[in-house]
Order: sequence, then C-alpha cells, then structure tokens
Amino acid sequence: EAQVTQNPRYLITVTGKKLTVTCSQNMNHEYMSWYRQDPGLGLRQIYYSMNVEVTDKGDVPEGYKVSRKEKRNFPLILESPSPNQTSLYFCASSLNPGEKLFFGSGTQLSVL
Amino acid sequence: GESVGLHLPTLSVQEGDNSIINCAYSNSASDYFIWYKQESGKGPQFIIDIRSNMDKRQGQRVTVLLNKTVKHLSLQIAATQPGDSAVYFCAENSKTSYDKVIFGPGTSLSVIP
Repeated sequence: EAQVTQNPRYLITVTGKKLTVTCSQNMNHEYMSWYRQDPGLGLRQIYYSMNVEVTDKGDVPEGYKVSRKEKRNFPLILESPSPNQTSLYFCASSLNPGEKLFFGSGTQLSVL
Repeated sequence: GESVGLHLPTLSVQEGDNSIINCAYSNSASDYFIWYKQESGKGPQFIIDIRSNMDKRQGQRVTVLLNKTVKHLSLQIAATQPGDSAVYFCAENSKTSYDKVIFGPGTSLSVIP
C-alpha cells in the first residue's frame, strides 16, 4: 500500500532531551516536507527536501533539523526540544515539488 | 503578502444538503490549487485540485470552482454525508515558489444527521 509512515504516533518528552521523528514513504517520491499544525495557525512548513541530500528551510525552521540521506526517509530532529515545540507534526511527500501531497498520520509531541 | 484564507471557520449542514466551503487567495501568481480533507486524528488527504487555466473541475460529489478575477476558490460537496464531517483546507502553489505549498487555516464542516 502506498503510504507515508511516521513514528512515533505520540511522544511525551522533557525540555532539552534530543528526539527524532521518523518519516518514510514507499512511493519513490522526490519531494518530502515536514509541517506542524497548531490551533488557529493551520499547517506551517518546517523543512522540505527536493531530493536526496537537498534540504531547505520552510517558514518555521528554528529548533529543528532534517536530513535526506535516502530518498524514502526524511527524519525530523529536535536537538533540544522546548515547550513551544509542543505540536502535531505531519510528514508529507509528493512525486515532484508542487504536486499534491500525501500525508502521514501525524505525531503528537508534548514537551514538558 | 501572500496568503490563503478561508471565509468561514466553521460550517454546519444538514445531511443531504449541499455544502460550500470558500477560500480566498492573494497571490496572483498562484497557478495550482488543492483541497484537502482532514478527519479527526488523521493526516490531510487530497480531495481535488484545479489549475489556473480552468474555472471548474468535478469529482465524485465534489466540485471546485476557481474565480481568478476575485482570487476566490470554493469546494462544493453534493448531498453531504456524515462521513464528510472534517476540516477542509485549501492550498496553493505558485510558479514562483512551486516547492512550497501555502495552506489556508481550514474550515470545520459538521454534518447534522
């Protein structure tokens, strides 16, 4: 089944403890992107990747890192999480940039 | 600046009625628009799209209308069903920034049985 898989689904952590949210797609998509979704603010782009080893900042990249070593994987890294990073995170991919996105099921992160 | 927004944050409709969800955009360079549906506890899911060289596009029970003159986009759902209850987002891409999608804030649709 064609899908975008994120893990974990839920995560509770404490301030400053490094964490990684994984994202994998099995559709051979070139483009991958991370979003955070907050009440009243909608979906905001954190980072995106046009291809392997090519990543770029979105609208809210501060406090996040990403990597794209393989085409299928696009992990989101929080080196030192803070409470303002408590949010619902979505990974998405598309065959090419600018095309319709396929989203993962989301990761609800709480930073205490 | 560039923005994509929705006129109505919430919408309640009776089962069987038609629903209309609206979206305004301000970037005249936008040339591709997408509607996504997000059900509770799930990620957004593609519904229908339209390019700027079209005014109307129809899918199964859904129709998207694009009015470039007033920079307005709408999603019409025919014979709304309980399973249509969700948050609906419009999104736009432009030729100048095709690698970034701008999402509207979303409209919550509730279907009354």
